[in-house]
Amino acid sequence: GQQVMQIPQYQHVQEGEDFTTYCNSSTTLSNIQWYKQRPGGHPVFLIQLVKSGEVKKQKRLTFQFGEAKKNSSLHITATQTTDVGTYFCAGWRSGGGADGLTFGKGTHLIIQP
Amino acid sequence: DTGVSQNPRHKITKRGQNVTFRCDPISEHNRLYWYRQTLGQGPEFLTYFQNEAQLEKSRLLSDRFSAERPKGSFSTLEIQRTEQGDSAMYLCASSLGLTPYEQYFGPGTRLTVT
Repeated sequence: GQQVMQIPQYQHVQEGEDFTTYCNSSTTLSNIQWYKQRPGGHPVFLIQLVKSGEVKKQKRLTFQFGEAKKNSSLHITATQTTDVGTYFCAGWRSGGGADGLTFGKGTHLIIQP
Repeated sequence: DTGVSQNPRHKITKRGQNVTFRCDPISEHNRLYWYRQTLGQGPEFLTYFQNEAQLEKSRLLSDRFSAERPKGSFSTLEIQRTEQGDSAMYLCASSLGLTPYEQYFGPGTRLTVT
């Protein structure tokens, strides 16, 4: 079945440093979504990417979808303590199928002030 | 609050008992999803509905699990003969539209099987 892998699993940064998490799928994706989950909370939608090579920005966050639609990245510039949480990518396989939306294991962002 | 709600928020049950969880999606959302999340993992897809029709079900889903959305509004997830491995957070999410779009998650029901 479809697998979505994320690296790194944990990332410690000093406040103000940049952060990047990478997502790779074993199959071509029709689209990819990114979610943030705060400790003790539930996933909150950040963005969806659909087109090959697409780049979207939200303030300090930059999201990219690979040309082959099998990988994606999230980059945060100048992290702040409010960025703490786990960032998940989630992809729908091209053509649908019984796997639904497959989430990666997430990258836990820990920020040291 | 017009977000996704789930009840109960916590459930402790003994192995072998049946449990049922309820999810009330955002009212105009036609798609409803169930996920399971264990510590340190991402949400694992279980099943989803478009209106009252159950369109997809994970191949990993045991036949002890069943979900319904009888009137296309709220949904229930039942687990029969619970096992300790069923202990997890059960998340419900809803979305609007025919194509995959942003999902709004509820707070989840935490199940502990003793």
